[in-house]
Amino acid sequence: AQKITQTQPGMFVQEKEAVTLDCTYDTSDQSYGLFWYKQPSSGEMIFLIYQGSYDEQNATEGRYSLNFQKARKSANLVISASQLGDSAMYFCAMSPLKYGNKLVFGAGTILRVKS
Amino acid sequence: KAGVTQTPRYLIKTRGQQVTLSCSPISGHRSVSWYQQTPGQGLQFLFEYFSETQRNKGNFPGRFSGRQFSNSRSEMNVSTLELGDSALYLCASRSSPGGGQPQHFGDGTRLSIL
Repeated sequence: AQKITQTQPGMFVQEKEAVTLDCTYDTSDQSYGLFWYKQPSSGEMIFLIYQGSYDEQNATEGRYSLNFQKARKSANLVISASQLGDSAMYFCAMSPLKYGNKLVFGAGTILRVKS
Repeated sequence: KAGVTQTPRYLIKTRGQQVTLSCSPISGHRSVSWYQQTPGQGLQFLFEYFSETQRNKGNFPGRFSGRQFSNSRSEMNVSTLELGDSALYLCASRSSPGGGQPQHFGDGTRLSIL
C-alpha cells in the first residue's frame, strides 16, 4: 500500500519569496510516480509537476520544482517568487507506474501568500 | 483543447435517492478515474475505466458504481444516498492508464445530501 504524508497543514509566505511544501511517501513499489496538484477554493484540481522514481534529475515546471530525495522518500514542492494567485490547497500524490494504477493523495497543505 | 467537463456542478438530494454524475474527458483521453473528496477523509479513489472496462476499484460500497461509454464519456451512480455521501466528486482523465502520465481533473460535482 502507498501512503503520502504532508506534515504542514498550513503555510504562510510573503509575496515574491520562495516556499517549500513538504511531502514524504511510503511504498513498496520500485517504480512509481509522484505528482503535485493545486486546488484553489473553487475546487478544481490543477496538475503542477511530475517526478518519476527513476528520474535522476529533479523536475521543474516554470516556478515549480520538485526536490526529490529517493533515499529519504521525500518529494518536496518548491515554489519560487510566490504570487498572490498561488494561495490554494496543495496536494502531493503518488501512484505505482503500472497499468490501472490510482492516485493516493496526502492530506494537503493550505498555502497563503501575503502581500 | 477543452478540459475535463463534469455535470452538474452542484446537486442537492435527499437520503435514499440515487444520483448520476457525468464526466466528459479531454478529447483523445481514454482513461477516466473518479475520486471523492470530503473534509474528513480527504481525496479517495473510487474507480478507473479504460476502454469501457473498469480497471481498478477503490474501497467503496457497492452503492457506488460507474460505467464508461464508447466515446470515453463516463458516468458515476450512487444509489440509496446517505448523509455521508455529501462530497465533492472529481473526475480525471488521461490518455491511457499506467506510466507517469498525469491525470487531469474536472471542476467537480458538489453533492449535498439533506
